[in-house]
Amino acid sequence: EAQVTQNPRYLITVTGKKLTVTCSQNMNHEYMSWYRQDPGLGLRQIYYSMNVEVTDKGDVPEGYKVSRKEKRNFPLILESPSPNQTSLYFCASSSPGLSDEQYFGPGTRLTVT
Amino acid sequence: RKEVEQDPGPFNVPEGATVAFNCTYSNSASQSFFWYRQDCRKEPKLLMSVYSSGNEDGRFTAQLNRASQYISLLIRDSKLSDSATYLCAVNAGYNFNKFYFGSGTKLNVKP
Repeated sequence: EAQVTQNPRYLITVTGKKLTVTCSQNMNHEYMSWYRQDPGLGLRQIYYSMNVEVTDKGDVPEGYKVSRKEKRNFPLILESPSPNQTSLYFCASSSPGLSDEQYFGPGTRLTVT
Repeated sequence: RKEVEQDPGPFNVPEGATVAFNCTYSNSASQSFFWYRQDCRKEPKLLMSVYSSGNEDGRFTAQLNRASQYISLLIRDSKLSDSATYLCAVNAGYNFNKFYFGSGTKLNVKP
């Protein structure tokens, strides 16, 4: 089954404790992306990757890091989480093309206290 | 100014009604346009891509107006199962990989 998986699905952590949210896709997609979704603000792109070892900043990259060492994986790293990073996070993947849809993972609900 | 703007709603309509949503975008160079559906606390799923010539899929019709820089979604004969939040997405034009999403329009279809 074609899918994007994220782990963990839910996470409660404390300020400053480094964490990683994993994302994996089995569709051989070149393009992957991370979004956060907050009430009233919609989905905002954090980082995206066009292929292995190629990443770029989205709209809200501050406080986040990513890496793309393998085509299927695109982890999101919060080196020192803060409460304003409490949000719902989605990973997405697609093939490069003007009309190619993005497939989203199920989401990770992160709470930073 | 936001890159993409939508009326947040909610739109409360009876079953069988026709409802339309608009989404305006600010970058005239945008090339890709999409409507996504998102159920509560779930991931967005593609509803339709939006083409210059407009496109229809069953009860759903999407249109693009480049001159006025908006896309629209028309839902005919609304079903209870259409209740969801509808998100529009637009790419950044110069960069196919950079996307902007609207904050979503909530639709409630009532019996």
